[in-house]
Amino acid sequence: NAGVTQTPKFQVLKTGQSMTLQCAQDMNHNSMYWYRQDPGMGLRLIYYSASEGTTDKGEVPNGYNVSRLNKREFSLRLESAAPSQTSVYFCASSVQGGGGTDTQYFGPGTRLTVL
Amino acid sequence: AQSVTQPDIHITVSEGASLELRCNYSYGATPYLFWYVQSPGQGLQLLLKYFSGDTLVQGIKGFEAEFKRSQSSFNLRKPSVHWSDAAEYFCAVGTLSGGYNKLIFGAGTRLAVHP
Repeated sequence: NAGVTQTPKFQVLKTGQSMTLQCAQDMNHNSMYWYRQDPGMGLRLIYYSASEGTTDKGEVPNGYNVSRLNKREFSLRLESAAPSQTSVYFCASSVQGGGGTDTQYFGPGTRLTVL
Repeated sequence: AQSVTQPDIHITVSEGASLELRCNYSYGATPYLFWYVQSPGQGLQLLLKYFSGDTLVQGIKGFEAEFKRSQSSFNLRKPSVHWSDAAEYFCAVGTLSGGYNKLIFGAGTRLAVHP
């Protein structure tokens, strides 16, 4: 199993450009998540999808949109990139969305720079 | 509000020395606690987790953590550090929020290992 995969690994954008970060998991998990990681701030949740067909905002959703394409894939879109969105983005998945005990499995990350 | 504090931003130890990374949490109910490790340029890997039962939990790579409810702590320990343990370590608390597994991360502790 590949686990959680993300593309691309690196990306440089200019302010105002758009792009989509792709995430896929092959563990038959129901829930998927997008986080951003900034120095000194740990990981913060952008959006999540508790199950196929549903998406909800996390802690820092502004400037982002998501699509749960099917059970395997969950994409994150930046419509008009801003320098404040320079970060490392992680996708994660878990078996189910409830209970607090659910273990999340993370992808390798996408390092995004917005100039 | 739920929160996780990792008081040490950077720690440096000598190879073979013992290690303790501190984690304190703020959460009103029974916490579900996790430690993740992030090697340079990699995603997050689960080291161990505590849900209930024995307060001393064993994880991968020789790590263990002890849950102390009275101190709201979940410190990570390793008796003898190896150079390959150099990485960033994140403590997280899992909560049930809106029907999904919400993870709240600390800011991380970066570990350096001297030969």
